[in-house]
Amino acid sequence: NAGVIQTPRHKVTGKGQEATLWCEPISGHSAVFWYRQTIVQGLEFLTYFRNQAPIDDSGMPKERFSAQMPNQSHSTLKIQSTQPQDSAVYLCASSLAQGDNQAPLFGEGTRLSVL
Amino acid sequence: GEKVEQHESTLSVREGDSAVINCTYTDTASSYFPWYKQEAGKSLHFVIDIRSNVDRKQSQRLIVLLDKKAKRFSLHITATQPEDSAIYFCAAAASSGSWQLIFGSGTQLTVMP
Repeated sequence: NAGVIQTPRHKVTGKGQEATLWCEPISGHSAVFWYRQTIVQGLEFLTYFRNQAPIDDSGMPKERFSAQMPNQSHSTLKIQSTQPQDSAVYLCASSLAQGDNQAPLFGEGTRLSVL
Repeated sequence: GEKVEQHESTLSVREGDSAVINCTYTDTASSYFPWYKQEAGKSLHFVIDIRSNVDRKQSQRLIVLLDKKAKRFSLHITATQPEDSAIYFCAAAASSGSWQLIFGSGTQLTVMP
């Protein structure tokens, strides 16, 4: 079991550029989560998919951020017109169905640096 | 919305002693409480969890206690070892609705040889 795979591990963008982050959940996991971690804000929930359907995006900044899960094997987080305050480690996690209350297992994250 | 407070930002113990990390939550609907360990430069690693239908769970040297009345839960690490040194995060989630995890701010545990 390879665990949750996130690519790239590091991404550097210039202010105003677009960044796309990729996540491959653990095979068989139907729930996929995106979180963001910074020193100042800590771990922040962004969005959650279950069986590829968006369930809760209450943590997503309303502008510039979007997430998709086009198939069960990957999810993407896209940030348009990146700003320095978007710099963070973006973490993807997956888990079994909600009813099993299994802890989400995290990938190694993508460190985004916006210059 | 749910808020999770992690009371100790840093904790130092001697090798072999026990370490206790305390968290409180605000939402009575929260029913699932996982703990994660984060070593320097690495991602979150799940260590143990507890559901609201029990008040104690043990896995080897880790014990989690849950007090639903006080909305408090704690992680006890017994017989600590230097490799236990890391940041530990508590989290809470409601069993209904979104089931997003709300995290505490983390506790930096240092186990001194």
